[in-house]
Amino acid sequence: SQTIHQWPATLVQPVGSPLSLECTVEGTSNPNLYWYRQAAGRGLQLLFYSVGIGQISSEVPQNLSASRPQDRQFILSSKKLLLSDSGFYLCAWNSLRSNTGELFFGEGSRLTVL
Amino acid sequence: AQSVTQLDSQVPVFEEAPVELRCNYSSSVSVYLFWYVQYPNQGLQLLLKYLSGSTLVESINGFEAEFNKSQTSFHLRKPSVHISDTAEYFCAVSEYGKLTFGQGTILTVHP
Repeated sequence: SQTIHQWPATLVQPVGSPLSLECTVEGTSNPNLYWYRQAAGRGLQLLFYSVGIGQISSEVPQNLSASRPQDRQFILSSKKLLLSDSGFYLCAWNSLRSNTGELFFGEGSRLTVL
Repeated sequence: AQSVTQLDSQVPVFEEAPVELRCNYSSSVSVYLFWYVQYPNQGLQLLLKYLSGSTLVESINGFEAEFNKSQTSFHLRKPSVHISDTAEYFCAVSEYGKLTFGQGTILTVHP
């Protein structure tokens, strides 16, 4: 069966520090991968998605970047965090072979920037 | 392009009362519809989905949703809620394999 894990689960970082959140999917190949952010009262915001290694699409301009160095690994990064980067970050995947679009989510990473 | 509107941002109810979380969507083509649930500090979990066939779909924990094509709605219902149903619920529509989420409805069940 397929599983998705992301880490760390919780992170407290000072303004201006770097960020790296990792996400790994197991049990499937060539997944589509996604990073979402939840800020308080603002629903789910799609940040990045990837259909393959090295292929990243950004949905909104921001202080963050994403990379996909391996087929089942997706990394969210920042060189210098802002207070507004605080939120709950969710990694998700779905299969290119499925036309329903159903997404499978990781456990989430809560980032607090102080 | 599709869009999803969840009409209530917060729904407070008492335990054992019925509840309905409303969801309307707009799309120019046939779609797939989903409800996800998110418990505090956790990721989203699929609650139920409509892909085809019967317009009434059910989850294993007593929720149900009915696809109404003429009203472009996919409301979520439960006849009797429990404290453990307290969570945020997201409606989502998939068009051409791309998922769009509503803003979420926070369901709070009081004893």
